[in-house]
Amino acid sequence: RKEVEQDPGPFNVPEGATVAFNCTYSNSASQSFFWYRQDCRKEPKLLMSVYSSGNEDGRFTAQLNRASQYISLLIRDSKLSDSATYLCVVNNQGRDDKIIFGKGTRLHILP
Amino acid sequence: NAGVTQTPKFRVLKTGQSMTLLCAQDMNHEYMYWYRQDPGMGLRLIHYSVGEGTTAKGEVPDGYNVSRLKKQNFLLGLESAAPSQTSVYFCASSSVFYEQYFGPGTRLTVT
Repeated sequence: RKEVEQDPGPFNVPEGATVAFNCTYSNSASQSFFWYRQDCRKEPKLLMSVYSSGNEDGRFTAQLNRASQYISLLIRDSKLSDSATYLCVVNNQGRDDKIIFGKGTRLHILP
Repeated sequence: NAGVTQTPKFRVLKTGQSMTLLCAQDMNHEYMYWYRQDPGMGLRLIHYSVGEGTTAKGEVPDGYNVSRLKKQNFLLGLESAAPSQTSVYFCASSSVFYEQYFGPGTRLTVT
């Protein structure tokens, strides 16, 4: 099983719809989780951290499921500007200090 | 507050030439990283540093060297460039071992 796995997409979603995608991780000791957004030919930018209790920021909701070892990102009322690649990041702090980026999920919001 | 800056933004090298990529951050971050990003491969960690004067190998260190003589700067060197090193290089920094902030990237082509 890969350390961090994401569905590469693309997800083609009409504007205004709700879209969700998951990211699975293999190391049960992973401690920190993040979603980054990367626009075409740009650098990744932190979108939000993922806390055990879940995290909501406007139209975006991130959740962590430790039992099944995945994190999710939900985007409500999608906008054209949400079109981007979303990267899942897992941090194994401690004995195996390692930051692992997923390869990303491409999202296209259709007008 | 410029965040993370990288120079140069673009560079074309011939096989065997050498060059140094400079990364600078003004956020007083302890940790700095160099990644390369290739289509279909995601972000791969080349080298990183957890403090001034320290460096460590990442996932794909071969063919690269780094130095962290000052806390705010992290240099990536290619001693003898190869076409396989054609890529987009991103530098990042963080105050702890997560929540990284990225520079705008350097697009390197080796012919």
